[in-house]
Amino acid sequence: GAGVSQSPSNKVTEKGKDVELRCDPISGHTALYWYRQSLGQGLEFLIYFQGNSAPDKSGLPSDRFSAERTGGSVSTLTIQRTQQEDSAVYLCASSFGGSEKLFFGSGTQLSVL
Amino acid sequence: TQLLEQSPQFLSIQEGENLTVYCNSSSVFSSLQWYRQEPGEGPVLLVTVVTGGEVKKLKRLTFQFGDARKDSSLHITAAQPGDTGLYLCAGVGAGNNRKLIWGLGTSLAVNP
Repeated sequence: GAGVSQSPSNKVTEKGKDVELRCDPISGHTALYWYRQSLGQGLEFLIYFQGNSAPDKSGLPSDRFSAERTGGSVSTLTIQRTQQEDSAVYLCASSFGGSEKLFFGSGTQLSVL
Repeated sequence: TQLLEQSPQFLSIQEGENLTVYCNSSSVFSSLQWYRQEPGEGPVLLVTVVTGGEVKKLKRLTFQFGDARKDSSLHITAAQPGDTGLYLCAGVGAGNNRKLIWGLGTSLAVNP
């Protein structure tokens, strides 16, 4: 497709389980971002990939969170040993080169029971 | 720490009314973006303002960047139900800090 694709759109899991969220950015976009959005909260930056540079992981809230980007394209955000406070919408965005114009996916609604 | 404050947090108006939402900071930004987010979707970029004092129009939406590049406003004329959504502002840091700083958003409901 032409836009940023995220899967799954909804994920319900039990506390303590691991989850993987996938992001397929717009073809040719070298930058990829993960954000978290909780109800009533703004967008919380998690991690940023730019080309072959080392990712900016400064926003990851704990070592239970990790992300990788394979072949400069698809990215996976992994949350290990999920907690109820991890429940949120996880948004992925991509941009071309150094542009700050972000294109967002529709997000993954994560619910940890 | 750079912060962006948006006001009001919530706004519920009738179709046809005008409204203004604000995005304020004590920090200078090199540019500022406005996004609209509808339920179940990601934010969509509406406009980027770059120059202090700049005014941009997008149909019934008018965006203004403050002279000092610390604040911005979004004015909607004759609001329509289709304008309903969460309006987010995001500032691009000045200098070498190019990270986006996000406001918490204004949730707008336009009732028919």
